[in-house]
Amino acid sequence: GAGVSQSPRYKVTKRGQDVALRCDPISGHVSLYWYRQALGQGPEFLTYFNYEAQQDKSGLPNDRFSAERPEGSISTLTIQRTEQRDSAMYRCASSLGGGAWEQYFGPGTRLTVT
Amino acid sequence: AQSVTQPDIHITVSEGASLELRCNYSYGATPYLFWYVQSPGQGLQLLLKYFSGDTLVQGIKGFEAEFKRSQSSFNLRKPSVHWSDAAEYFCAVGPTGTASKLTFGTGTRLQVTL
Repeated sequence: GAGVSQSPRYKVTKRGQDVALRCDPISGHVSLYWYRQALGQGPEFLTYFNYEAQQDKSGLPNDRFSAERPEGSISTLTIQRTEQRDSAMYRCASSLGGGAWEQYFGPGTRLTVT
Repeated sequence: AQSVTQPDIHITVSEGASLELRCNYSYGATPYLFWYVQSPGQGLQLLLKYFSGDTLVQGIKGFEAEFKRSQSSFNLRKPSVHWSDAAEYFCAVGPTGTASKLTFGTGTRLQVTL
C-alpha cells in the first residue's frame, strides 16, 4: 500500500507569512507524529496524535506552531509568522498504534524562510 | 531523559568491506531501539528494531545490530558493504510507556569508495 505522503515537498516563504504542511499517514495507522530535522542533525520530536487527539505537544518550540488531525487521518502542521530559524525539514511519521511502535516516515517537507 | 549518541559523524569504507556504526543510548529501563537509513531526497527507512528477546536482530538489506545492555550500545553491522549503502544512518530510542516519541542520534554519514 501507499506510504506516508507529505505536501508540499518544498516550500519557500517570506518571513512573517503563515505556512501549512500536510501529512497523509498510512491507511489504518492510528498514531501520527511530527518531527523537525535541521541540517546535520537527527529528527527532533514536535508532537503526536492518537486518532484525532493530540497526545503530546511538548516538542512544539513556541505558540507559533500548532497541529491538528480533525478526522483522525490527515494532519496539518501550521507555523504562523514564520521566522528564518524555522527553516528545516519537517517530517511526518505514522504507526499502527496499540503497542506497535515502528514509525514509518514520509519524504518530508523542506521549508525555507527567506 | 533518554538520549542517543552516535560518536562517528562520517565514516568511509571500501565496497566489500565490513561496516560497524556505533550507537550508545541513555535510558532508564529496557529500551526500544531502532536504526533508520536516510538516502538523499528520501524519507527515513526503518532498517531494524529491537524490543526484547534475542539481542542480535536482523534487518533489511543485510544489516544486523546487537543490543548490549552492559555497554548501553546498539551497533549496526554489515559484513560486506555495497556502493548503494552510502547514506546517512540514524539510531533512535523509544518510545517509553508514557511518551511515544523517538529520540534520534545526530546520524552517521557513510561514504562507500569503489
